[in-house]
Amino acid sequence: QKEVEQDPGPLSVPEGAIVSLNCTYSNSAFQYFMWYRQYSRKGPELLMYTYSSGNKEDGRFTAQVDKSSKYISLFIRDSQPSDSATYLCAIGPGAGSYQLTFGKGTKLSVIP
Amino acid sequence: DAGVTQSPTHLIKTRGQQVTLRCSPKSGHDTVSWYQQALGQGPQFIFQYYEEEERQRGNFPDRFSGHQFPNYSSELNVNALWLGDSALYLCASSLPTDPETQYFGPGTRLLVL
Repeated sequence: QKEVEQDPGPLSVPEGAIVSLNCTYSNSAFQYFMWYRQYSRKGPELLMYTYSSGNKEDGRFTAQVDKSSKYISLFIRDSQPSDSATYLCAIGPGAGSYQLTFGKGTKLSVIP
Repeated sequence: DAGVTQSPTHLIKTRGQQVTLRCSPKSGHDTVSWYQQALGQGPQFIFQYYEEEERQRGNFPDRFSGHQFPNYSSELNVNALWLGDSALYLCASSLPTDPETQYFGPGTRLLVL
């Protein structure tokens, strides 16, 4: 089993829709959970991170962590064409490790 | 505030050659990590440098080596290139007091023919 599993999509939604992106992970020792956005041919950009369980909101974006089920989510409200990108979930660092472990990424297209 | 910069942006090499990629961290950051991102995959951790030492290494062969300079900039060297090394190589920088916040550069796209 891979450490982080993420449905690669692609996911296509109409403008204004609510988008739900999800990942599962296997190592319960990790405490930090990140979401990165990566535009085509660019480096990943940190959107937000959550420590331990709970929700975190930043504008139209909400990150959610459920440690009991090892499930992390990113919700995008009122999606815009500019949100079209690949979204990568990542876990770590922690438990004696300095690395980030990424999912494969979900490619999102928001259609005007 | 300058972000993470990487050079070159693109590179084409042939099998068996050697390559050196360069990274300058975000201003004030002293920790540099390198990742490899194959097409359609998430980034995979190669190694991290802190205080000019390799602090942690991912599951990559010894053909991948690195260096960190006193000004915190870093190099990634790959020897004996093979086709499977074709990927986007990403550098990320962070503070030791804030290791979960890693800022990525634009990457170097390497094509091995």
